[in-house]
Amino acid sequence: EIVLTQSPATLSLSPGERATLSCRASQSVNSYLVWYQQRPGQAPRLLIYDASNRATGVPARFSGSGSGTDFTLTISSLEPEDFAVYYCQHRSNWPLTFGGGTKVEI
Amino acid sequence: QVQLVESGGGVVQPGRSLRLSCAVSGFTFRNYGFHWVRQAPGKGLEWVAAIWSDGSVEYYLDSVKGRFIISRDDSKNTLYLQMNSLGAEDTAVYYCARDINVGSLDFGYWGQGTLVTVSS
Repeated sequence: EIVLTQSPATLSLSPGERATLSCRASQSVNSYLVWYQQRPGQAPRLLIYDASNRATGVPARFSGSGSGTDFTLTISSLEPEDFAVYYCQHRSNWPLTFGGGTKVEI
Repeated sequence: QVQLVESGGGVVQPGRSLRLSCAVSGFTFRNYGFHWVRQAPGKGLEWVAAIWSDGSVEYYLDSVKGRFIISRDDSKNTLYLQMNSLGAEDTAVYYCARDINVGSLDFGYWGQGTLVTVSS
Protein backbone atom coordinates (compact mmCIF):
# COMPACT_ATOMS: atom_id res chain seq x y z
CA GLU A 1 0.00 0.00 0.00
CA ILE A 2 1.27 3.45 -0.92
CA VAL A 3 1.29 5.82 2.03
CA LEU A 4 0.80 9.51 1.30
CA THR A 5 2.15 11.94 3.91
CA GLN A 6 0.89 15.50 3.80
CA SER A 7 2.60 18.42 5.45
CA PRO A 8 2.08 20.56 7.30
CA ALA A 9 -0.99 19.28 9.12
CA THR A 10 -2.17 22.84 9.60
CA LEU A 11 -1.21 25.99 7.75
CA SER A 12 -2.16 29.32 9.33
CA LEU A 13 -2.24 32.12 6.79
CA SER A 14 -4.10 35.30 5.90
CA PRO A 15 -6.14 36.14 2.80
CA GLY A 16 -3.87 37.22 -0.02
CA GLU A 17 -0.96 35.08 1.15
CA ARG A 18 0.55 32.18 -0.76
CA ALA A 19 -0.07 28.63 0.45
CA THR A 20 2.27 25.75 -0.30
CA LEU A 21 1.07 22.25 0.60
CA SER A 22 3.18 19.12 0.32
CA CYS A 23 2.32 15.49 -0.38
CA ARG A 24 4.98 12.79 -0.26
CA ALA A 25 4.43 9.22 -1.44
CA SER A 26 6.12 6.17 0.08
CA GLN A 27 6.95 4.99 -3.44
CA SER A 28 6.70 6.47 -6.89
CA VAL A 29 3.20 7.21 -8.18
CA ASN A 30 4.52 8.73 -11.41
CA SER A 31 2.17 11.66 -12.06
CA TYR A 32 -0.93 9.83 -10.83
CA LEU A 33 -1.62 12.26 -8.02
CA VAL A 34 -4.87 14.12 -7.37
CA TRP A 35 -5.70 17.03 -5.06
CA TYR A 36 -9.07 17.71 -3.41
CA GLN A 37 -10.52 20.54 -1.37
CA GLN A 38 -13.07 19.88 1.36
CA ARG A 39 -14.97 22.65 3.08
CA PRO A 40 -16.81 21.95 6.36
CA GLY A 41 -19.98 19.94 5.87
CA GLN A 42 -19.37 19.45 2.17
CA ALA A 43 -18.22 16.63 -0.06
CA PRO A 44 -14.68 16.90 -1.40
CA ARG A 45 -14.09 18.74 -4.67
CA LEU A 46 -11.46 17.66 -7.17
CA LEU A 47 -8.99 20.47 -7.88
CA ILE A 48 -5.99 18.98 -9.66
CA TYR A 49 -5.56 15.65 -11.45
CA ASP A 50 -2.45 13.95 -12.77
CA ALA A 51 -0.32 16.18 -10.55
CA SER A 52 -0.68 19.41 -12.50
CA ASN A 53 -3.94 19.57 -14.46
CA ARG A 54 -6.65 21.85 -13.12
CA ALA A 55 -10.15 20.42 -13.20
CA THR A 56 -12.89 22.29 -15.02
CA GLY A 57 -13.95 25.42 -13.17
CA VAL A 58 -11.01 25.50 -10.77
CA PRO A 59 -9.52 28.98 -10.46
CA ALA A 60 -6.06 29.60 -11.88
CA ARG A 61 -4.68 30.49 -8.43
CA PHE A 62 -4.56 26.74 -7.76
CA SER A 63 -1.62 24.91 -9.27
CA GLY A 64 -0.03 21.51 -8.80
CA SER A 65 3.46 20.24 -9.47
CA GLY A 66 5.69 17.25 -8.91
CA SER A 67 6.19 13.69 -10.02
CA GLY A 68 7.45 10.45 -8.56
CA THR A 69 7.21 10.84 -4.79
CA ASP A 70 7.08 14.59 -4.11
CA PHE A 71 4.15 16.81 -4.98
CA THR A 72 3.05 20.35 -4.21
CA LEU A 73 -0.26 22.18 -4.31
CA THR A 74 0.14 25.94 -4.44
CA ILE A 75 -2.55 28.54 -3.91
CA SER A 76 -1.02 31.75 -5.18
CA SER A 77 -3.19 34.21 -3.27
CA LEU A 78 -5.67 32.91 -0.72
CA GLU A 79 -9.29 33.90 -1.03
CA PRO A 80 -11.66 33.59 1.96
CA GLU A 81 -13.33 30.53 0.40
CA ASP A 82 -9.98 28.71 0.16
CA PHE A 83 -9.76 28.11 3.89
CA ALA A 84 -10.51 24.41 3.98
CA VAL A 85 -8.88 20.99 4.24
CA TYR A 86 -6.88 19.69 1.28
CA TYR A 87 -6.22 16.03 0.52
CA CYS A 88 -3.97 14.31 -1.96
CA GLN A 89 -4.80 10.90 -3.44
CA HIS A 90 -2.86 8.55 -5.69
CA ARG A 91 -4.29 6.42 -8.46
CA SER A 92 -1.13 4.47 -9.21
CA ASN A 93 -2.25 1.06 -7.96
CA TRP A 94 -4.62 -0.64 -5.53
CA PRO A 95 -5.63 0.26 -2.94
CA LEU A 96 -6.23 3.89 -3.78
CA THR A 97 -5.15 5.94 -0.78
CA PHE A 98 -5.44 9.48 0.50
CA GLY A 99 -3.09 11.60 2.50
CA GLY A 100 -4.09 12.68 5.98
CA GLY A 101 -4.96 16.21 4.88
CA THR A 102 -3.70 19.74 5.40
CA LYS A 103 -5.99 22.26 7.03
CA VAL A 104 -5.55 25.78 5.73
CA GLU A 105 -6.85 28.15 8.39
CA ILE A 106 -6.92 31.84 8.98
CA GLN B 1 -26.07 17.98 -14.68
CA VAL B 2 -24.25 15.13 -12.98
CA GLN B 3 -25.94 14.08 -9.75
CA LEU B 4 -25.18 11.33 -7.27
CA VAL B 5 -27.55 10.87 -4.35
CA GLU B 6 -26.77 8.42 -1.56
CA SER B 7 -29.33 6.89 0.77
CA GLY B 8 -29.65 4.05 3.24
CA GLY B 9 -27.51 5.31 6.09
CA GLY B 10 -28.60 5.20 9.71
CA VAL B 11 -27.87 3.72 13.10
CA VAL B 12 -27.16 -0.01 13.14
CA GLN B 13 -26.03 -2.39 15.87
CA PRO B 14 -22.60 -4.03 15.74
CA GLY B 15 -22.63 -7.22 13.72
CA ARG B 16 -25.67 -6.22 11.69
CA SER B 17 -25.97 -5.32 8.00
CA LEU B 18 -26.90 -2.25 5.99
CA ARG B 19 -27.21 -1.54 2.29
CA LEU B 20 -26.38 1.86 0.86
CA SER B 21 -27.66 3.08 -2.48
CA CYS B 22 -26.43 5.79 -4.81
CA ALA B 23 -28.86 7.01 -7.47
CA VAL B 24 -27.17 8.61 -10.44
CA SER B 25 -28.38 10.96 -13.15
CA GLY B 26 -27.07 13.39 -15.75
CA PHE B 27 -24.79 11.00 -17.64
CA THR B 28 -24.69 7.48 -19.08
CA PHE B 29 -24.36 5.30 -16.00
CA ARG B 30 -23.10 2.18 -17.74
CA ASN B 31 -20.08 3.97 -19.19
CA TYR B 32 -18.41 4.66 -15.85
CA GLY B 33 -16.85 2.92 -12.92
CA PHE B 34 -17.79 4.02 -9.44
CA HIS B 35 -16.35 4.11 -5.95
CA TRP B 36 -17.38 4.32 -2.34
CA VAL B 37 -15.27 6.57 -0.14
CA ARG B 38 -15.85 7.06 3.58
CA GLN B 39 -14.93 9.60 6.20
CA ALA B 40 -15.08 8.82 9.90
CA PRO B 41 -16.23 11.72 12.09
CA GLY B 42 -13.49 14.34 12.27
CA LYS B 43 -11.11 12.18 10.22
CA GLY B 44 -9.74 12.02 6.71
CA LEU B 45 -10.94 10.32 3.55
CA GLU B 46 -10.65 6.57 2.98
CA TRP B 47 -11.36 4.78 -0.29
CA VAL B 48 -13.51 1.69 0.36
CA ALA B 49 -14.47 -0.06 -2.88
CA ALA B 50 -14.59 0.30 -6.65
CA ILE B 51 -16.48 -1.37 -9.46
CA TRP B 52 -15.68 -1.33 -13.16
CA SER B 53 -18.08 0.11 -15.72
CA ASP B 54 -19.16 -3.35 -16.87
CA GLY B 55 -19.29 -4.69 -13.32
CA SER B 56 -16.66 -7.31 -14.14
CA VAL B 57 -14.04 -6.13 -11.64
CA GLU B 58 -14.31 -5.06 -8.02
CA TYR B 59 -11.65 -3.81 -5.63
CA TYR B 60 -11.88 -3.46 -1.88
CA LEU B 61 -10.01 -1.95 1.01
CA ASP B 62 -8.47 -4.84 2.93
CA SER B 63 -10.38 -4.04 6.12
CA VAL B 64 -13.75 -4.45 4.38
CA LYS B 65 -12.88 -7.36 2.08
CA GLY B 66 -15.22 -10.26 2.74
CA ARG B 67 -17.71 -8.01 4.57
CA PHE B 68 -18.69 -5.38 1.99
CA ILE B 69 -19.95 -5.94 -1.55
CA ILE B 70 -20.14 -3.24 -4.19
CA SER B 71 -22.61 -3.76 -7.01
CA ARG B 72 -24.50 -1.87 -9.66
CA ASP B 73 -27.83 -2.04 -11.46
CA ASP B 74 -27.52 -0.36 -14.84
CA SER B 75 -31.29 -0.62 -15.42
CA LYS B 76 -31.85 1.57 -12.35
CA ASN B 77 -28.77 3.80 -12.68
CA THR B 78 -27.94 2.84 -9.13
CA LEU B 79 -24.80 1.84 -7.26
CA TYR B 80 -24.95 -0.19 -4.05
CA LEU B 81 -22.78 -1.05 -1.09
CA GLN B 82 -23.87 -4.05 0.95
CA MET B 83 -22.20 -3.84 4.34
CA ASN B 84 -22.20 -6.91 6.60
CA SER B 85 -20.73 -7.64 10.03
CA LEU B 86 -20.50 -3.96 10.80
CA GLY B 87 -18.25 -2.73 13.56
CA ALA B 88 -17.67 0.59 15.28
CA GLU B 89 -14.74 1.22 12.94
CA ASP B 90 -17.19 1.41 10.03
CA THR B 91 -18.92 4.48 11.47
CA ALA B 92 -18.50 7.18 8.84
CA VAL B 93 -20.09 9.31 6.18
CA TYR B 94 -20.14 7.20 3.04
CA TYR B 95 -19.82 8.95 -0.30
CA CYS B 96 -20.32 7.50 -3.76
CA ALA B 97 -18.06 8.97 -6.38
CA ARG B 98 -17.46 8.78 -10.12
CA ASP B 99 -14.26 9.08 -12.09
CA ILE B 100 -13.74 12.29 -14.03
CA ASN B 101 -13.06 10.25 -17.15
CA VAL B 102 -13.68 6.60 -17.90
CA GLY B 103 -11.25 4.56 -15.83
CA SER B 104 -9.31 7.54 -14.49
CA LEU B 105 -9.62 6.42 -10.83
CA ASP B 106 -10.01 9.94 -9.55
CA PHE B 107 -13.14 11.22 -7.89
CA GLY B 108 -14.48 13.99 -10.04
CA TYR B 109 -18.09 13.79 -8.92
CA TRP B 110 -19.37 13.09 -5.43
CA GLY B 111 -22.68 12.61 -3.73
CA GLN B 112 -23.58 14.48 -0.56
CA GLY B 113 -22.86 11.45 1.61
CA THR B 114 -24.90 9.29 3.95
CA LEU B 115 -23.99 8.75 7.60
CA VAL B 116 -23.63 5.24 8.97
CA THR B 117 -23.39 4.94 12.74
CA VAL B 118 -22.57 1.55 14.22
CA SER B 119 -23.59 1.55 17.85
CA SER B 120 -25.42 -0.61 20.35
